[in-house]
Amino acid sequence: QVQLVQSGAEVKKPGASVKVSCKASGYTFTSYYMHWVRQAPGQGLEWMGIINPSGGSTSYAQKLQGRVTMTRDTSTSTVYMELSSLRSEDTAVYYCARHIGDDGYNPWGQGTLVTVSS
Amino acid sequence: DIQMTQSPSSLSASVGDRVTITCRASQGISNYLAWYQQKPGKVPKLLIYAASTLQSGVPSRFSGSGSGTDFTLTISSLQPEDVATYYCQKYNSAPQTFGGGTKVEIK
Repeated sequence: QVQLVQSGAEVKKPGASVKVSCKASGYTFTSYYMHWVRQAPGQGLEWMGIINPSGGSTSYAQKLQGRVTMTRDTSTSTVYMELSSLRSEDTAVYYCARHIGDDGYNPWGQGTLVTVSS
Repeated sequence: DIQMTQSPSSLSASVGDRVTITCRASQGISNYLAWYQQKPGKVPKLLIYAASTLQSGVPSRFSGSGSGTDFTLTISSLQPEDVATYYCQKYNSAPQTFGGGTKVEIK
């Protein structure tokens, strides 16, 4: 079955970087876009950006430009999201989610909690 | 950027009630609109895509309508297991913005 499995929880200090992975299985990795969405504690969903696993092209939310980098490894069907210069406001659960065409985001990864604290 | 505005932000209704949530886009997005359900502590779940297409496995009491700028999610008969926060999302182009969410509770 289609599955997205994310890496485990992280605790980082302000100013550090974090890299979260999302390993896909059960479908052709390069045929679907992958998005990253985050959710701060008690808050709504925030779209972070998209990567096309086929060619590696990306598009990021304007507020994260310069701090976020999304990459992929086609040999392992894994996408990565790296966020740098972390601040307390980046504390959130980070999700990857698959998408193509007219369909919505389905499925989603299980989420990765990133805590930024001194 | 196109903004997505949901209303109400929360509602309380009785079991069996018909519940309607609205989502308005600040510019036209055709039918590139999805609805998600998120239960407390859980991963968001796709309910409806292309404004009105029910995702496989989703109960038929859920329905979506609309096109352009105004969209609606309807629960025809609210059930206890429908307690959740519901989000709309535009996905025609980046940024693929979510609405602020509507928290649904049982009265």
